[in-house]
Amino acid sequence: DAKTTQPTSMDCAEGRAANLPCNHSTISGNEYVYWYRQIHSQGPQYIIHGLKNNETNEMASLIITEDRKSSTLILPHATLRDTAVYYCIVRAPDSNYQLIWGAGTKLIIKP
Amino acid sequence: DAGVIQSPRHEVTEMGQEVTLRCKPISGHDYLFWYRQTMMRGLELLIYFNNNVPIDDSGMPEDRFSAKMPNASFSTLKIQPSEPRDSAVYFCASSFAVQGKVPYEQYFGPGTRLTVT
Repeated sequence: DAKTTQPTSMDCAEGRAANLPCNHSTISGNEYVYWYRQIHSQGPQYIIHGLKNNETNEMASLIITEDRKSSTLILPHATLRDTAVYYCIVRAPDSNYQLIWGAGTKLIIKP
Repeated sequence: DAGVIQSPRHEVTEMGQEVTLRCKPISGHDYLFWYRQTMMRGLELLIYFNNNVPIDDSGMPEDRFSAKMPNASFSTLKIQPSEPRDSAVYFCASSFAVQGKVPYEQYFGPGTRLTVT
């Protein structure tokens, strides 16, 4: 599976959009991009995934560049409860079910 | 649904003792995963099951670790004998495959914080 690179930490003001980048320059054509987050002392939580097109759900939007070498997770109106570690993962659908977890981005939402 | 249930939430034991961690996956899910999380190594997959059958246990660190899934609603992770370096948070997760497709979303339990002294 392709490796991902994320900033170690980011800050965002409450109510503003939080944009979390992820580089996956070695991604293969059939690999999906997944985003999970882990709030302190809880298990990881699935947020969204995508292949080529931009995706949106009730939690966030995922923007994938045309060359698929990077993506951005957007939390449109960040709240204090969005403070968490955000993980970007890439995986092929025909691979095993192991998700390779990096260090993620520690996002701190400030009042 | 109550989500993935893990017990105990906290476990403190002495080196050499046997430890058993328990997991109840979400009803209807056919995949179950055991993870370990430490500050040094992050989140690591230990083993996963499909329809109660172990599929990949390559992440199990040593023979001291074993996992079972006797039925679709219960799984255990056992460490015998336990060592201080086993101290970590152990997560169980479950998911389901739609029409044979790879499951995208894994649902995690709250974890068991294990401390071995």
